[in-house]
Amino acid sequence: GESVGLHLPTLSVQEGDNSIINCAYSNSASDYFIWYKQESGKGPQFIIDIRSNMDKRQGQRVTVLLNKTVKHLSLQIAATQPGDSAVYFCAETPFQNSGYALNFGKGTSLLVTP
Amino acid sequence: EPEVTQTPSHQVTQMGQEVILRCVPISNHLYFYWYRQILGQKVEFLVSFYNNEISEKSEIFDDQFSVERPDGSNFTLKIRSTKLEDSAMYFCASSGGQGSNYFGPGTRLTVT
Repeated sequence: GESVGLHLPTLSVQEGDNSIINCAYSNSASDYFIWYKQESGKGPQFIIDIRSNMDKRQGQRVTVLLNKTVKHLSLQIAATQPGDSAVYFCAETPFQNSGYALNFGKGTSLLVTP
Repeated sequence: EPEVTQTPSHQVTQMGQEVILRCVPISNHLYFYWYRQILGQKVEFLVSFYNNEISEKSEIFDDQFSVERPDGSNFTLKIRSTKLEDSAMYFCASSGGQGSNYFGPGTRLTVT
């Protein structure tokens, strides 16, 4: 069936470097994408979102890129800090404004080393 | 900043027992969800709730599960007869209908 998945289960970066976390999706009807950060023992925390009519969106130190042609989503974190260490999930849903449930990917564990 | 709250933070129950997990969504949100996460795995959708009825549910959400909004603030998930494989983190989330689900801290359910 349709799925959302990530290319790498773990990513280790040095403090101050930029991080790139990738995600592939297969549902052509996906319209809205979100990146979540999950720290140990906590619930997913919203980072940034993007609609399918955009290909790039920037937040504070984070950028999400969407390539609909190859169904690929990435999260870029600039100047990665130790507090960025967490598991990052991409999630998608067909419609932004319908309250549809999210389909999550498997997660990438980001480890920031000093 | 408004947030989703959940109680209890940890629930231990024996197989076959009923459990009720409780959530208080963000007050002006209209859509409510339950997700679960088995240890080390991805977050899985269980059910969504809108306008006092289930709007969508996954294959996981079988007859053992039910949801209720008993009053204007609480949203509950009931598991009628727990099984060992129900052990997981259960997350409540809410949305204003603009897409992004805001998650609570979760309830860790341990079935022994």
